[in-house]
Amino acid sequence: DVKVTQSSRYLVKRTGEKVFLECVQDMDHENMFWYRQDPGLGLRLIYFSYDVKMKEKGDIPEGYSVSREKKERFSLILESASTNQTSMYLCASTFSGATNEKLFFGSGTQLSVL
Amino acid sequence: DQQVKQNSPSLSVQEGRISILNCDYTNSMFDYFLWYKKYPAEGPTFLISISSIKDKNEDGRFTVFLNKSAKHLSLHIVPSQPGDSAVYFCAASAGNTNAGKSTFGDGTTLTVKP
Repeated sequence: DVKVTQSSRYLVKRTGEKVFLECVQDMDHENMFWYRQDPGLGLRLIYFSYDVKMKEKGDIPEGYSVSREKKERFSLILESASTNQTSMYLCASTFSGATNEKLFFGSGTQLSVL
Repeated sequence: DQQVKQNSPSLSVQEGRISILNCDYTNSMFDYFLWYKKYPAEGPTFLISISSIKDKNEDGRFTVFLNKSAKHLSLHIVPSQPGDSAVYFCAASAGNTNAGKSTFGDGTTLTVKP
């Protein structure tokens, strides 16, 4: 079974801090994604990567950046955390990104920015 | 404008009965639909999917129905079990869109009472 691991289950940070959220998958998937989940807003795509060092903006990239130096690892970076970035962050991966592929999700990181 | 809507935030059913979760979409270009289930403290997991060339797909106790003319799909769970209590997300994608760029609904929280 594919395993997508997010490094932290809960994080509490202060406004203005630089925050790193890490995600690792163990099935050699090409595509990796970062979402945030907010009540009433569903899952919204922040950034995704279809190959090492490649990235594309999702629907809500403002205030975020990403890094993919190795195939198995995809990092989400909040350069200067703000309170409106308090959210549940979910990482996911797929093999090829074909439309009919299912996503494999990590268990999420609940980030609180104070 | 939200293109995928799950208008019922929550649903409560008795064990053994049928659960029907609904999802409406507005984008006529969507041609592939998935349902994901999410337990607390876990990431969403794939449940069942349907292509627009079909109107029904069944997998054990789970059946998804697609009504393209109404732009509506529903997930039927029969019989419902307490272990089905979770948040259910509907997702839709169009054409050759990367699977991770699917549009998600807000989710419906299903509670199955023993």
